Amino acid sequence: DTGVSQDPRHKITKRGQNVTFRCDPISEHNRLYWYRQTLGQGPEFLTYFQNEAQLEKSRLLSDRFSAERPKGSFSTLEIQRTEQGDSAMYLCASSHRDSDPETQYFGPGTRLLVL
Amino acid sequence: AQSVTQLGSHVSVSEGALVLLRCNYSSSVPPYLFWYVQYPNQGLQLLLKYTTGATLVKGINGFEAEFKKSETSFHLTKPSAHMSDAAEYFCAVYPRDYKLSFGAGTTVTVRA
Repeated sequence: DTGVSQDPRHKITKRGQNVTFRCDPISEHNRLYWYRQTLGQGPEFLTYFQNEAQLEKSRLLSDRFSAERPKGSFSTLEIQRTEQGDSAMYLCASSHRDSDPETQYFGPGTRLLVL
Repeated sequence: AQSVTQLGSHVSVSEGALVLLRCNYSSSVPPYLFWYVQYPNQGLQLLLKYTTGATLVKGINGFEAEFKKSETSFHLTKPSAHMSDAAEYFCAVYPRDYKLSFGAGTTVTVRA
C-alpha cells in the first residue's frame, strides 16, 4: 500500500476564486471520506463515498462545495467562490467497507489559504 | 449523538516521564474508539483503536489506552516520553456508522 495521497499539499488563492483538490485512496478501499480541520480543532466530517456514490454530506458542506468520485477510485473536492472562512486543512481518508470499515487511513492533507 | 472531550489542550512533559492524555466520550451506542497522532503539517496517523474485547489496547510507539465503560473514558498513556512524541493527539469516536467524531486535540511538548 502506498497510502492515501492528496494533491496539492498547499494552495493559496484569492477570495472568489475556485479551487479543486484531489485525493487518491489506498487501492481497493471502497470508502472515501473528506474532513476539514481548522486551526486548533479536530477534523470535522464533510462527506463520504462508498464506491462512486456520495452517501452523506455534512451541513458544513455548503452549496459552494462539491465532491465527486466518478469511477469509485480518486475523488475531487471543489470549492467555488472561495471565502476567507474556507481557509483550513482538507483531509481525505479511506477505509475498506468489508474487511475493516471503522479504521480510516488519512492522507497528508491539503492546506488552503484564502487571501 | 456522540461527542469527544479531551481534557487539556496542552500537555508538557519531561523526557522519560509518563505521558497521560485524557479522553472522555459520549455515545448513544457502544462505540469504537481511536487515538490518532498528527505531526506538524501532516495528516493523521493511527496510534491505536478499541473495538471489542480486551479493554487495554496497545498501539504503536509504546502507547496504550484503556477503555473504561463505567467512566466513559479512553485515556492514552506512554510510560516514558521521547522527544519524538511531540505532536498533536486526537481522540475519536466511531459510533458504528461511517464517520469519525474527533476531540479538539491535545498538543504534547517534551522537555529535554
